[in-house]
Amino acid sequence: AQKVTQTQTSISVMEKTTVTMDCVYETQDSSYFLFWYKQTASGEIVFLIRQDSYKKENATVGHYSLNFQKPKSSIGLIITATQIEDSAVYFCAMRENSNNRIFFGDGTQLVVKP
Amino acid sequence: EAAVTQSPRNKVAVTGGKVTLSCNQTNNHNNMYWYRQDTGHGLRLIHYSYGAGSTEKGDIPDGYKASRPSQENFSLILELATPSQTSVYFCASGDLGQSNSDYTFGSGTRLLVI
Repeated sequence: AQKVTQTQTSISVMEKTTVTMDCVYETQDSSYFLFWYKQTASGEIVFLIRQDSYKKENATVGHYSLNFQKPKSSIGLIITATQIEDSAVYFCAMRENSNNRIFFGDGTQLVVKP
Repeated sequence: EAAVTQSPRNKVAVTGGKVTLSCNQTNNHNNMYWYRQDTGHGLRLIHYSYGAGSTEKGDIPDGYKASRPSQENFSLILELATPSQTSVYFCASGDLGQSNSDYTFGSGTRLLVI
């Protein structure tokens, strides 16, 4: 069974608006780590933001923030005031504390239009 | 700055030939990973390592071997390359000891097996 699921294949938004990308995960571990990465058009994979399962406060970095809903096993990425350069593929990932494997979702393509 | 360097960036190999993809990290991370990414898909784990001398199978290890001769270097070996192994390969390293640490990815190796 897939551990990390991103149901949105592609999203298109207008510049300067807010977008939310969904991600649900599956784990039996009580402790785990959640990540969002961005893959640019050149193929580079860049770390954006991280949420540790034991932290109740949603992580925020710049114009990225997370909506962590632990009971729903959900970790949404929110990008506010989107810019053209935010256009990329966004990957959600999870690492369980019991092992070092990292599981990735299939990604969501974000297109930001002027 | 901590970095993960992959070589070569591009490789064309002949079916049945041996291919070695190299990865070097200056992060002093214990954990290293090899993923492949196929068009329209996320990252699938091939092999990973906890440290020098260790290799572990990921989700799709068949047809691949890995070698971790030192903390800094982690190689992926295709003993008998096949066209189905045409893909983009990413190496990553990471430890989660610090609160906002993450996994760093190399720039990828584009492999074409003809």
